[in-house]
Amino acid sequence: GQNIDQPTEMTATEGAIVQINCTYQTSGFNGLFWYQQHAGEAPTFLSYNVLDGLEEKGRFSSFLSRSKGYSYLLLKELQMKDSASYLCAVRELNSNDYKLSFGAGTTVTVRA
Amino acid sequence: SAVISQKPSRDICQRGTSLTIQCQVDSQVTMMFWYRQQPGQSLTLIATANQGSEATYESGFVIDKFPISRPNLTFSTLTVSNMSPEDSSIYLCSVEGSGDEQYFGPGTRLTVT
Repeated sequence: GQNIDQPTEMTATEGAIVQINCTYQTSGFNGLFWYQQHAGEAPTFLSYNVLDGLEEKGRFSSFLSRSKGYSYLLLKELQMKDSASYLCAVRELNSNDYKLSFGAGTTVTVRA
Repeated sequence: SAVISQKPSRDICQRGTSLTIQCQVDSQVTMMFWYRQQPGQSLTLIATANQGSEATYESGFVIDKFPISRPNLTFSTLTVSNMSPEDSSIYLCSVEGSGDEQYFGPGTRLTVT
């Protein structure tokens, strides 16, 4: 099983930086994902980490420390359109099947 | 990236009836997943559907309530049986991409009255 914890809400100003932390406990760890979900829409894939370190993709970066069971998603140069829910998800390998489990999500509100 | 479509996009159903949701992918995929997202909550995995084998259900979900079909590598259906208002939710189909990412369909918004 797994426990995936992330903050419920965060607010930041346009142009600023926000860091969303995620901690997890799991067996058979096989990767950590970040998804963005706008209200009323399906989640869209942002990033994937399976090895320790930082993955940078434009304004978004994601970090993973497997020994600490910790990840963060960094959003730089915030724009109003970044207001959304950000979901941390952990993939486990059980027997021959993968399973992706989601945290409750962090609602980010970007203010002008 | 995989392109996923779902039908219907939304429906309002009477208590006690059943609804079958279709998921179509534009490429062949081995594993397909069905999730539920209840209002204001995150995604919960219902089951994993591999072509040619029985679906694997997560704790709290049973085949009699959520029967799944996976007739080929591009299509799956999820049926929500004997519905009650507690089944009101968004149901999402998901597949693994060619890399390690997982893609989601647009979802089916179900309201049970």
